[in-house]
Amino acid sequence: RKEVEQDPGPFNVPEGATVAFNCTYSNSASQSFFWYRQDCRKEPKLLMSVYSSGNEDGRFTAQLNRASQYISLLIRDSKLSDSATYLCVVNVYTGNQFYFGTGTSLTVIP
Amino acid sequence: DTGVSQDPRHKITKRGQNVTFRCDPISEHNRLYWYRQTLGQGPEFLTYFQNEAQLEKSRLLSDRFSAERPKGSFSTLEIQRTEQGDSAMYLCASSLVGAGETQYFGPGTRLLVL
Repeated sequence: RKEVEQDPGPFNVPEGATVAFNCTYSNSASQSFFWYRQDCRKEPKLLMSVYSSGNEDGRFTAQLNRASQYISLLIRDSKLSDSATYLCVVNVYTGNQFYFGTGTSLTVIP
Repeated sequence: DTGVSQDPRHKITKRGQNVTFRCDPISEHNRLYWYRQTLGQGPEFLTYFQNEAQLEKSRLLSDRFSAERPKGSFSTLEIQRTEQGDSAMYLCASSLVGAGETQYFGPGTRLLVL
């Protein structure tokens, strides 16, 4: 079983739509969680960390559900510039290992 | 530019050759990570350093892979006797202990083994 699982998509949504991505993780010892964004042929860039209480940054909202071992990312009012691959990342403190999901592809259509 | 840098950006080599990649982290960052990314997949953790100590290397893909960070600053990743299956993007990232473990990635080195 993979440490982190994501629906690869693709998600094709119109501008202005709300879209949500989920990610599940298998190791209950996971301690920190992130969403990264990766544009085609570019390096991943941090979008936001995910806190237990949930957190929001503008149009982006991230939530963590430890009991069910999943994290989510909600994007409201999608922009063309949101088109990218969104990577879910989990850190297991033992060995300080980071596990990335395969990424979810989002295309925002005019 | 004070971000993570990697060199070279692209490398084409013949099967059986050795290759070495360099990563320069953000200057005050004490942790440095190496990842491999293949098409359609997320980055795959290989190894990491805290200062000059290599604290995790069990996930290096084989004994043909090795990494060093001799002075706790830049790092090198070497692949010996390259195989076609080694073709991938090799990413380096750095972070600062105690700063939420946020990793900042370099642009990567794209390796093609012919």
